[in-house]
Amino acid sequence: EAQVTQNPRYLITVTGKKLTVTCSQNMNHEYMSWYRQDPGLGLRQIYYSMNVEVTDKGDVPEGYKVSRKEKRNFPLILESPSPNQTSLYFCASSLMGAGASYNSPLHFGNGTRLTVT
Amino acid sequence: AQTVTQSQPEMSVQEAETVTLSCTYDTSESDYYLFWYKQPPSRQMILVIRQEAYKQQNATENRFSVNFQKAAKSFSLKISDSQLGDAAMYFCAYRSLNTGNQFYFGTGTSLTVIP
Repeated sequence: EAQVTQNPRYLITVTGKKLTVTCSQNMNHEYMSWYRQDPGLGLRQIYYSMNVEVTDKGDVPEGYKVSRKEKRNFPLILESPSPNQTSLYFCASSLMGAGASYNSPLHFGNGTRLTVT
Repeated sequence: AQTVTQSQPEMSVQEAETVTLSCTYDTSESDYYLFWYKQPPSRQMILVIRQEAYKQQNATENRFSVNFQKAAKSFSLKISDSQLGDAAMYFCAYRSLNTGNQFYFGTGTSLTVIP
């Protein structure tokens, strides 16, 4: 089954304790990205990647790190989480390139509800 | 960066009635793609419908259709014969063909379906 697998689904941590949210897709998508969803703000992009070893900042990258060592994996790292990073996080992937691939939608993981106390 | 605006934070509709959710966007690009996503309480993000900007014909998917007005930069979603299962948060999204194939999202519209 084609899917984006994101773990964990729920995470409660304390300020300053490093954490990683994993994301993996089995659709051979070049494009992967991370979003955070907050009430009234919609989905805001944190980081994105257009291919292996290529990552770029989105709109809200501060306090986050990513890596793309393999095409299928795109983990999100919070080196020193703070309470303002309490949010719902989504990983997503898509085809990219020319022609018909452009109307490829984003495929989302099931989300990670992160609480930082 | 492109801006996507959903001006209706909340909407409600009677079961079996029709509702239209609005979305506008700001862009200088001539070609791009537009999407509507549904997020039910399970928080899963589900693709509802997509539209290519170069196509004049409005996309339809069963009870869901769009009214795409390119000149007005408007992309509204019409839900016909509303069902209880349509209750969800709906997000409009814009995909750029230029800036890294980026997706830009609106702030969402929460739809309530009244039995």
